[in-house]
Amino acid sequence: NAGVTQTPKFRILKIGQSMTLQCTQDMNHNYMYWYRQDPGMGLKLIYYSVGAGITDKGEVPNGYNVSRSTTEDFPLRLELAAPSQTSVYFCASSYQGARETQYFGPGTRLLVL
Amino acid sequence: KQEVTQIPAALSVPEGENLVLNCSFTDSAIYNLQWFRQDPGKGLTSLLLIQSSQREQTSGRLNASLDKSSGRSTLYIAASQPGDSATYLCAVRRGSGTYKYIFGTGTRLKVLA
Repeated sequence: NAGVTQTPKFRILKIGQSMTLQCTQDMNHNYMYWYRQDPGMGLKLIYYSVGAGITDKGEVPNGYNVSRSTTEDFPLRLELAAPSQTSVYFCASSYQGARETQYFGPGTRLLVL
Repeated sequence: KQEVTQIPAALSVPEGENLVLNCSFTDSAIYNLQWFRQDPGKGLTSLLLIQSSQREQTSGRLNASLDKSSGRSTLYIAASQPGDSATYLCAVRRGSGTYKYIFGTGTRLKVLA
């Protein structure tokens, strides 16, 4: 199993540009999450999904959109990129049940100039 | 509003020392608590997960305890090694009806050889 994979690893965007961060998991997990981590800070939840076709907002959803058309994929869309969205973005997944360990991808480092 | 605090922000210890990392949360109505390890430039790796009904969990040289009434969790690392150097984060899930995790800002640990 590859686990949770994210692409790209690093990207530079100009203000106002759009992009999609890709996330795929091959563990058949129902739950998937997007977090952002700013320097020296903990992770903040952007969006999450409890299954295909079901998504919900986290703590900091403004400026982002998500979709979940399959169990495996959970892309994060940035519309009209702003410098405040410069961060490291992590995707995670977990299996429904008592043991809800979250498995994280390696992250995407995004710089908006 | 749930807030998660980790003190100290950074810690340096000589190899072989036993150490304790602290995690405090303001709302005791949690569903579970996880401890993660993050290596520089990498994603998070789950170390231990404690359900709200449990008092502690152990994995190898790691032991995590949970005291909901006082809003505290500790991560005990026995016989520390240079390979334990990383940032350790705790995260709490706020309730059975939500899948949102609140993360602390982490403790950056350096084990000196």
